[in-house]
Amino acid sequence: TQLLEQSPQFLSIQEGENLTVYCNSSSVFSSLQWYRQEPGEGPVLLVTVVTGGEVKKLKRLTFQFGDARKDSSLHITAAQPGDTGLYLCAPNLAGTYKYIFGTGTRLKVLA
Amino acid sequence: NAGVMQNPRHLVRRRGQEARLRCSPMKGHSHVYWYRQLPEEGLKFMVYLQKENIIDESGMPKERFSAEFPKEGPSILRIQQVVRGDSAAYFCASSLSQGNQPQHFGDGTRLSIL
Repeated sequence: TQLLEQSPQFLSIQEGENLTVYCNSSSVFSSLQWYRQEPGEGPVLLVTVVTGGEVKKLKRLTFQFGDARKDSSLHITAAQPGDTGLYLCAPNLAGTYKYIFGTGTRLKVLA
Repeated sequence: NAGVMQNPRHLVRRRGQEARLRCSPMKGHSHVYWYRQLPEEGLKFMVYLQKENIIDESGMPKERFSAEFPKEGPSILRIQQVVRGDSAAYFCASSLSQGNQPQHFGDGTRLSIL
């Protein structure tokens, strides 16, 4: 049984399009982090969500934490080539200090 | 740059040699985590340390691998008698405290075993 699932695994879109990537689990999370990782670099923290139903915006990126704190989504509006990268969600399991990393969504935005 | 610093960025070793990977956490952070990443895979937790203490090493192989975070100086991940399967990117992250505190990552050490 997979603890954490990110979808889609790969996504290739044209500049200007909108997209949504998902992070799902059957477990309850106490918090969740989204990272973006580019080749040859470490993951860069984008946002942390803590409260069920929470929505956070970072310019063209909108992050939502599910009401039950079992899932999250990342929506990008008018994607740009600079958004290309690996998007990782990392929930913190309730009652633990550990973050579990998904395999990520590899996004490629074509100019 | 007050971020997490890892060195070296690239490390090449022959089978049987030792590899030492260093990590200096962000200023003020006393919690360090080591992860391993293989191509096309996610980050796999290896070990969690606080100053002078190993809190959780459940993700670290029992043999050949060890980690420390001394009172002074960087955290060290040591791999003895390296084998080809140890080739990977090793990332270090640090946080202010445990629990819900966000983890900030370094740019990793890419270990290649010849």
